Amino acid sequence: GAVVSQHPSRVICKSGTSVKIECRSLDFQATTMFWYRQFPKQSLMLMATSNEGSKATYEQGVEKDKFLINHASLTLSTLTVTSAHPEDSSFYICSAKGPGLVDTQYFGPGTRLTVL
Amino acid sequence: ILNVEQSPQSLHVQEGDSTNFTCSFPSSNFYALHWYRWETAKSPEALFVMTLNGDEKKKGRISATLNTKEGYSYLYIKGSQPEDSATYLCAFFGNEKLTFGTGTRLTIIP
Repeated sequence: GAVVSQHPSRVICKSGTSVKIECRSLDFQATTMFWYRQFPKQSLMLMATSNEGSKATYEQGVEKDKFLINHASLTLSTLTVTSAHPEDSSFYICSAKGPGLVDTQYFGPGTRLTVL
Repeated sequence: ILNVEQSPQSLHVQEGDSTNFTCSFPSSNFYALHWYRWETAKSPEALFVMTLNGDEKKKGRISATLNTKEGYSYLYIKGSQPEDSATYLCAFFGNEKLTFGTGTRLTIIP
């Protein structure tokens, strides 16, 4: 299957700083990328959907000014957590898919963010 | 809010035994049902994408069935091996996005 990388795998930062997470599709062109968050013992929750060259579509309750998403190319999307606070500590994971409506989403390995 | 439920939450199975678990989902606005296997510290691995009622898909010792009218899918593993230990996630695709269940955590006992 297709490969999606995600960096960093783990990050610890101080409260108030910003953190950027990169998601790359290594062997296919991802017309759409997705960002999810997972809290302990909960399911993966979709935060936003981004199409290459367009503004991201955020799910209800997700602050677009706090979670900045950029999808500037067909192989790279970034999520920036701005002015992070301890409640932003979570597991963030991206996925990417091609243009078909029911195409498989290929996932990165995720990023564990801890805000002190 | 869409409700995708998986049962059981966790399962311990003796090596060599067969097992199965369930995903239930809304029967309206259905486009597809995805199954993933997620091993610790790795990326979720896509197993199946199922779209048609009555669909049955197979990949090695793993197979899945789909009933869209009643809103459930079963995942079967035949002759469990230690490498099958993982969390198995199902996800309902509707309204252009995936809604995940909380997963079934499978542990194979050697």
